[in-house]
Amino acid sequence: AQTVTQSQPEMSVQEAETVTLSCTYDTSENNYYLFWYKQPPSRQMILVIRQEAYKQQNATENRFSVNFQKAAKSFSLKISDSQLGDTAMYFCAFTAGWETSGSRLTFGEGTQLTVNP
Amino acid sequence: NAGVTQTPKFRVLKTGQSMTLLCAQDMNHEYMYWYRQDPGMGLRLIHYSVGEGTTAKGEVPDGYNVSRLKKQNFLLGLESAAPSQTSVYFCASSQRPRAPVANTGELFFGEGSRLTVL
Repeated sequence: AQTVTQSQPEMSVQEAETVTLSCTYDTSENNYYLFWYKQPPSRQMILVIRQEAYKQQNATENRFSVNFQKAAKSFSLKISDSQLGDTAMYFCAFTAGWETSGSRLTFGEGTQLTVNP
Repeated sequence: NAGVTQTPKFRVLKTGQSMTLLCAQDMNHEYMYWYRQDPGMGLRLIHYSVGEGTTAKGEVPDGYNVSRLKKQNFLLGLESAAPSQTSVYFCASSQRPRAPVANTGELFFGEGSRLTVL
């Protein structure tokens, strides 16, 4: 079974600074996807960024980028130029075997990020 | 664009009562899921479905039943609610991979339903 661990329950950062959220996972699969989802106070789950395990290049989406270390099974999220609207719960998630059994996501415990003005 | 819609958004039940949460998606997705979210535990998969008429157990299925009679709907039932089922429930859907379009594995979520069992 796959597991996803986020060891930072809470983090805070000053507006305009950079923050990195950590995530580690455990799997015996070779092909899989990793995700970061954002959940603001509205409770809506919003996809921030995804990474395909077969791609060596780290994914980037505007101010969001990942550091994917496949051998170490580590998948951290870096948020640059933090904005007040980035305040949210962030979940790391993993899926594999989706071709035959659906994209069942396994989630980490979440990291509550607060951006301070 | 409705996407994934859950009803009701809020519900308070007494122990032993039954209820059904309805999830509807208008994206013609084959796969649908029910998750529950509890503080410090992230989201955990209750049941899922890979097509109309099929369902399967997830990580925490006990105390819940599901049905997928129509492709666009996925129902989650609680036959005898317990306080341990107080949670926020999320429905999600995703498409089935069909070459040559690459499936990204992304799930599309509803807005959640907060259930309190007294």
